[in-house]
Amino acid sequence: DAGITQSPRHKVTETGTPVTLRCHQTENHRYMYWYRQDPGHGLRLIHYSYGVKDTDKGEVSDGYSVSRSKTEDFLLTLESATSSQTSVYFCAISEFLADSYEQYFGPGTRLTVT
Amino acid sequence: EDKVVQSPLSLVVHEGDTVTLNCSYEVTNFRSLLWYKQEKKAPTFLFMLTSSGIEKKSGRLSSILDKKELFSILNITATQTGDSAVYLCADGGSNYKLTFGKGTLLTVNP
Repeated sequence: DAGITQSPRHKVTETGTPVTLRCHQTENHRYMYWYRQDPGHGLRLIHYSYGVKDTDKGEVSDGYSVSRSKTEDFLLTLESATSSQTSVYFCAISEFLADSYEQYFGPGTRLTVT
Repeated sequence: EDKVVQSPLSLVVHEGDTVTLNCSYEVTNFRSLLWYKQEKKAPTFLFMLTSSGIEKKSGRLSSILDKKELFSILNITATQTGDSAVYLCADGGSNYKLTFGKGTLLTVNP
């Protein structure tokens, strides 16, 4: 397995509270991603990073922010969690490979917002 | 907007059957198409296809890309219960991002 860890692995929180999820890699890959996975929607990109301090929005970025202060860590923050953000969150990493970007996924974080 | 469509959405077979999963895409700047397997955890990488007509194989799994018709298939021969999973395909071309289809849920019964 690629060296990707996510913390916490499970979290239950209340509506309106801030939540931060952490993704940590030991592969020194340049690109990092946050996805959410929900039944009927598949994997949807929230935010991604193409280098330290370089981030951009994905297709479902509303209500989320990210930060990447060093290569190995990519943080996802829900400023004020809502029930619609109950989901499984996956971090992924990639590096340029054969003119494309093969991604490797972390184990996931199951977040429940009550 | 780019779109990746997988079919069927779900499939139930018996051990030993051969299955074909389909992935069609509508992308303007194609670079690659990727297949992943997802059991009850994170997706794991299977194949990346960049050239039309060249088959990639790994054991009982194989995949091929048709860039003219904009589709890819994933074949699994002699299926086993351990092949039960969601199979995801993704377009790997746009600004270091992947765009995933919704997946095909394969159930292999003994």
